Formats: sequence, structure tokens, C-alpha cells
Amino acid sequence: QTVVTQEPSFSVSPGGTVTLTCGLSSGSVSTSYYPSWYQQTPGQAPRTLIYSTNTRSSGVPDRFSGSILGNKAALTITGAQADDESDYYCVLYMGSGGVFGGGTKLTVL
Amino acid sequence: QLQLQESGPGLVKPSETLSLTCTVSGGSISSSSYYWGWIRQPPGKGLEWIGSIYYSGSTYYNPSLKSRVTISVDTSKNQFSLKLSSVTAADTAVYYCARQGGSWGQGTMVTVSS
Repeated sequence: QTVVTQEPSFSVSPGGTVTLTCGLSSGSVSTSYYPSWYQQTPGQAPRTLIYSTNTRSSGVPDRFSGSILGNKAALTITGAQADDESDYYCVLYMGSGGVFGGGTKLTVL
Repeated sequence: QLQLQESGPGLVKPSETLSLTCTVSGGSISSSSYYWGWIRQPPGKGLEWIGSIYYSGSTYYNPSLKSRVTISVDTSKNQFSLKLSSVTAADTAVYYCARQGGSWGQGTMVTVSS
């Protein structure tokens, strides 16, 4: 079974820029996988940030952007803020449906 | 603003069927071209995609759960539902409903225990 890969953890300085990635254990990610990104803080439901590679969900600030970088989907956060400290999950849609990555824990310090 | 709310029993016995409903308000399930899905999260773990349904009734299921999962939609009630049969302790999780690319419900904790 195809595994969706994410960095387990990442850190960024306040005001800095960070790019999180979402890859496949075998093969390259393309827009055909309709990558989506979600933010989750402890005890809360996930929040949709990006869907279909680069479409921001309603109300999401333009500090968050999605793209394909090389063979992976990417979520870039510019001007990182303290409340960006969260878990970030990607999902890729394949023939049989969606597969989530294991999530990236982002620390802002 | 679109809102989703999960409902159903918080405790299910092993080998029984877990049944949850997601009620959508602030918009119609059948008025837009989106998939509506179920996702779960075991305590302390990551998200797992369970399956999704289009308002017309077409479905996709996680292959690892496919033999036990049924997702259905009731457009007249603006609801969609999840049934997961033959549950075990491994199915204990917070269950979320969500519109693909959009809003999520707050989640409901389901514990499988006798």
C-alpha cells in the first residue's frame, strides 16, 4: 500500500518562512492527487487550509500557500506566527480514495 | 456559513455496528459539487481517511476498511451517515465528518468496549 510521507517535525522562527512537504513512498505527487492540507491544534478539530493543490479554503490567510515542488506537494507558511504552532496533515487522493500523511508537528520558536 | 455536526452513540460494544450521522446546516448537500467524508483519529494518533460520498450516492472507501464500511446520504434531511460493522477496540477514535476542501464537524468520540 502506498504511504504518504511528511516530515515528523519542523521548527520555524517567528516571522520566518517554512515549507512542509507531502510525498509518496513510491512515485511523484502531481496535481492529479488533489493534495489538501489541514491544520490541527491539540483538542481541536482539523481546519482545512488548502485543497486541490493550491486553493485556499474560505477565511485562510494568504500566508498559507500550496504548490507542487519537485515530486512532492508543499505547504508554505510565510511570516510564521505563534499560533501557527500546530500539527499539519496532508491528504492525497488516489484511485481508491484518500490517504493521509502521518502529520508534521510545527514548532514556532 | 456551512456547519457540520456529528451525532451517535459514544460507546459501542465489540462486534457491533458503529453508526454516526453528520447533519449539514447553512448549505445543501446536493447543491454543490463536493464530496462529503468521514475521517477518524485514534487517541494520540494521526488522521485516517475512512471514506466519502457524493450527493448522487457514489462512494469511495478506504481499502483497509472497505469490507466493514457503508456511507450513505439522505439529501431530504441534509445528512450523510457512517456505518462501521464488527468493531473492535482498534476502532476507538474521534470520528469527524467534513466537506472535501471545506468545513469539518467538531468530532465525536466513540469508544468500543464491553
